[in-house]
Amino acid sequence: TQLLEQSPQFLSIQEGENLTVYCNSSSVFSSLQWYRQEPGEGPVLLVTVVTGGEVKKLKRLTFQFGDARKDSSLHITAAQPGDTGLYLCAGARTGNQFYFGTGTSLTVIP
Amino acid sequence: GAVVSQHPSRVICKSGTSVKIECRSLDFQATTMFWYRQFPKKSLMLMATSNEGSKATYEQGVEKDKFLINHASLTLSTLTVTSAHPEDSSFYICSARGGGGNTDTQYFGPGTRLTVL
Repeated sequence: TQLLEQSPQFLSIQEGENLTVYCNSSSVFSSLQWYRQEPGEGPVLLVTVVTGGEVKKLKRLTFQFGDARKDSSLHITAAQPGDTGLYLCAGARTGNQFYFGTGTSLTVIP
Repeated sequence: GAVVSQHPSRVICKSGTSVKIECRSLDFQATTMFWYRQFPKKSLMLMATSNEGSKATYEQGVEKDKFLINHASLTLSTLTVTSAHPEDSSFYICSARGGGGNTDTQYFGPGTRLTVL
């Protein structure tokens, strides 16, 4: 059983559309990271959120950490083909514990 | 951001042979490194946590005698797949923890594609 569940698992949208990816858990995390991974490459860190309720923006990407630090969302505005990839959330807990979400595979069709 | 390298990026080997994969943190010291395995379009599965100078901690179901991990220095960890079989074919990714103000963050290597014939 995964500690962090992502939804949706697969998403295929047209260029220019908006989308939201959710990362949910019943556990509290000290911080949460979002990564994007392209085929054959390692995950690349997009953002780290630490404070409950925190919102961070990275160009057309908006990340939010839930007030209780149990969940997070990633919103992409006006998606572009270059946004295609596997999006992974990962939560850190005290000590060395680090948990990855189930992943969301995004395809943006030109 | 912090840089982590892996070598080799791709390796093809015959069944029964052993393969070593290196993971290096290039511009920071990593007291902890992690090894993951990933199947196509799936999330990362943690195999083991490696602390410099001590034995690795393996996740349940991961055979420590088959996947040997050595973390000899603060910048290098190695994963050796011993007596490889076709079912060991996969994408192996390492990560290193630290490298900045937030020690919760992991920085990932580019991965190693292992194919066992």
